[in-house]
Amino acid sequence: DIVMTQTPLSSPVTLGQPASISCRSSQSLVHSNGNTYLSWLQQRPGQPPRLLIYKISNRFSGVPDRFSGSGAGTDFTLKISRVEAEDVGVYYCMQATYLVSFGQGTKLEIK
Amino acid sequence: EVQLVESGGGLVQPGGSLRLSCAASGFTFTGSWMTWVRQAPGKGLEWVANINRDGSEKYYVDSVKGRFTISRDNTKNSLSLQMNSLRAEDTAVYYCAEPSISWGQGTMVTVSS
Repeated sequence: DIVMTQTPLSSPVTLGQPASISCRSSQSLVHSNGNTYLSWLQQRPGQPPRLLIYKISNRFSGVPDRFSGSGAGTDFTLKISRVEAEDVGVYYCMQATYLVSFGQGTKLEIK
Repeated sequence: EVQLVESGGGLVQPGGSLRLSCAASGFTFTGSWMTWVRQAPGKGLEWVANINRDGSEKYYVDSVKGRFTISRDNTKNSLSLQMNSLRAEDTAVYYCAEPSISWGQGTMVTVSS
């Protein structure tokens, strides 16, 4: 089983400031077809998960460009360039290279 | 517009059964692996089951093996999860997902006497 480990688990951020979340997998997420199926999800309070980023760095339709993803192999990062109030929620990394598994979630809150 | 709409959740007694359904639209359902994910109250996301494009391969988290069955009907663009021998720890919101495309709104399953 692939274990996904996120840091930090809680991130208090000032509005307008950047935020960064790291995700590490227990083994490489490079699929045999050459793709890396690492995604980032946002879950606002009381809402279902929403896809933000897929295949490491591709923003999903309608996602603001202040969200960006990077990384390779086993280490990945989600960055928010300038945090807005609507960004409050829990962020999950998710791998779908070997079935599906999730990180523990990182709670983003405003200072 | 891509849409996944779950139904079938509710309150069931321990040991009981429930069948969840998911109607898919707006994407090529037959070209996608499909997934059920659950989220217990106040907890994180937990993968439950996967099914491949033609339904010939099915995978489950250990805690539901032998009790849950995932299936799909590609003629109706629908996904199902048959849940038997339900336990209190199965209480959660269940999401249907093509994880890299779309997630449903979820359906609540409560197992309690």
